[in-house]
Amino acid sequence: EAEVAQSPRYKITEKSQAVAFWCDPISGHATLYWYRQILGQGPELLVQFQDESVVDDSQLPKDRFSAERLKGVDSTLKIQPAELGDSAMYLCASSPSPALVETQYFGPGTRLLVL
Amino acid sequence: KQEVTQIPAALSVPEGENLVLNCSFTDSAIYNLQWFRQDPGKGLTSLLLIQSSQREQTSGRLNASLDKSSGRSTLYIAASQPGDSATYLCAVQISWGKFQFGAGTQVVVTP
Repeated sequence: EAEVAQSPRYKITEKSQAVAFWCDPISGHATLYWYRQILGQGPELLVQFQDESVVDDSQLPKDRFSAERLKGVDSTLKIQPAELGDSAMYLCASSPSPALVETQYFGPGTRLLVL
Repeated sequence: KQEVTQIPAALSVPEGENLVLNCSFTDSAIYNLQWFRQDPGKGLTSLLLIQSSQREQTSGRLNASLDKSSGRSTLYIAASQPGDSATYLCAVQISWGKFQFGAGTQVVVTP
């Protein structure tokens, strides 16, 4: 069964350092999402891509976060510089295309700890 | 703004007991509601999706109901097993590609 891949699974970094997360969606899925999940809370959308284009990045802290999906396949989320409050689980999800009835398929996530 | 609430935040039940998990949302203008399972340190797995025109969905021991007018959904898990221990999240789809998640209910099923 096809799955969303993410790496690394865990990342420990010091504040002010740069970190990057990678996501490979299910083959053929045009829509890709990055979520941030703080411990004890539900996921919150950071950015949504349709193919290589950003559809929604209204909740992305653009002073330190950036995301790209250059060829409309895999994607990278970067944080520079990392802050203590960025410690969270970063989840990637994909779907065939945005629709009114849509199931998202989630990857295993990257757990980030900023010291 | 749509708000999704799940109460209780945690519960513990003995094996074999039925589980009842609640989800409430403030705006009834939703396209669908999904229930997800999340194991510790892992991603989310979709369990059931109820379209806005539907009242319930069933899959094996799982049954989810939806009452849009009252802004509520309930997930029932029959005859719970220790393997059902996880966090269960509900999410409402509010527009194309937009989902609002609850914080989840952490479930522990004790042998």
